Amino acid sequence: EVLLVESGGGLVKPGGSLRLSCTASSFVLGSYTMNWIRQAPGEGLEWVSSISSSGSYIHYAESVKGRFTISRDNAKNSVYLDMSGLGVEDTALYYCARDLIGYYSFEYWGQGLLVTVSS
Amino acid sequence: QSALTQPRSVSGSPGQSVTISCTGSSSDVGGYEYVSWYQKHPGKAPKLLIYDVTKRPSGVPYRFSGSKSGNTASLTISGLRGDDEADYYCCSYAGTSSYIFGSGTEVTVL
Repeated sequence: EVLLVESGGGLVKPGGSLRLSCTASSFVLGSYTMNWIRQAPGEGLEWVSSISSSGSYIHYAESVKGRFTISRDNAKNSVYLDMSGLGVEDTALYYCARDLIGYYSFEYWGQGLLVTVSS
Repeated sequence: QSALTQPRSVSGSPGQSVTISCTGSSSDVGGYEYVSWYQKHPGKAPKLLIYDVTKRPSGVPYRFSGSKSGNTASLTISGLRGDDEADYYCCSYAGTSSYIFGSGTEVTVL
């Protein structure tokens, strides 16, 4: 069974920073492009960032560009999202998701991690 | 970039068919054959139902089908079942390795 387990969420004050981690079980994460996708309370899904299997290609949504950094450690079967300059608008459930190889879609998702930005 | 437009809710009786629309622009839905659809039950991770407009991953029932015309993609659920009650999201590739999701549609089985 493909498992993606996110960790590192929680409550942070506006302007603060947080690191999210996503660790894969039962597959080699290094073979896949990985993504972070979020869902704000009562809102729809929003793609946040992606990183290619080697880490060479990285992309961000405009809403997080310059504030969030995606990275990966294939030896640890993990992908990360470093978030800084957080605002209340970043409050959301954050999912890591694995690409469907060769296709523009997200094949497997983690259970999600709540990030709350509040004073 | 605003979310793709989906109806807030659709409903149908068991056994019926429902269709969810997903309207974007020539920069996303209309510009690429890369629309995907996801089913999300409360508290669960989203599940991929359709990719590349019409393709179904292994294990997804034939009851779920996708199509596209111009800037609007559609998901049809045939033979509606109780466990189809969920939120459904479309997603389109939007160029330069970015994606845009739909606003989401709540499907209710009457």
